[in-house]
Amino acid sequence: SQTIHQWPATLVQPVGSPLSLECTVEGTSNPNLYWYRQAAGRGLQLLFYSVGIGQISSEVPQNLSASRPQDRQFILSSKKLLLSDSGFYLCAWSKKGTGGDIQYFGAGTRLSVL
Amino acid sequence: AQTVTQSQPEMSVQEAETVTLSCTYDTSESDYYLFWYKQPPSRQMILVIRQEAYKQQNATENRFSVNFQKAAKSFSLKISDSQLGDAAMYFCAYGRRSQGNLIFGKGTKLSVKP
Repeated sequence: SQTIHQWPATLVQPVGSPLSLECTVEGTSNPNLYWYRQAAGRGLQLLFYSVGIGQISSEVPQNLSASRPQDRQFILSSKKLLLSDSGFYLCAWSKKGTGGDIQYFGAGTRLSVL
Repeated sequence: AQTVTQSQPEMSVQEAETVTLSCTYDTSESDYYLFWYKQPPSRQMILVIRQEAYKQQNATENRFSVNFQKAAKSFSLKISDSQLGDAAMYFCAYGRRSQGNLIFGKGTKLSVKP
């Protein structure tokens, strides 16, 4: 069966520090991968999605970047965190198909930038 | 651009009763998918139900069913025999056939009273 791992679960970082959140998927190959951010009282906002190694699409301009160094690994990064980067970050994967595929989510990372 | 609107920020239901959560969406496409996801206090997003727009029959999953009105662009979720474990944030989401990412509403917080 497929599983998705996301870590760390909680992170407290000072403003201006770097960030690296990691997400890995097991039990499948060549998945679509996604990073979402969920601000308090809001829905999920898509940040990045990837259809393959090295292929990253960004949905919104921001202080963050994403990379996919391996087929089942997706990394969210920042060189210098801002207060506005605080939030709950979710990684998700879906099978490649004709669209409308179910997305399966990780447990999320709660990031607090102080 | 596609949008998803959940007009009920919070809902409450008595245990064993039935509750309906509302969702409307806006799209010019004819072939798409709709989802309801549940986010319990653990924050893990869990798929509740999925509807394909070209299928007229409403999707059902045990106590969960949808009322899909394509012309009205409405996609409500009915929870029957509500249980304490149903208490969570519920998100409606839209996905295009041609693209893998989902567009989420802002969510409805459901409370279940014993």
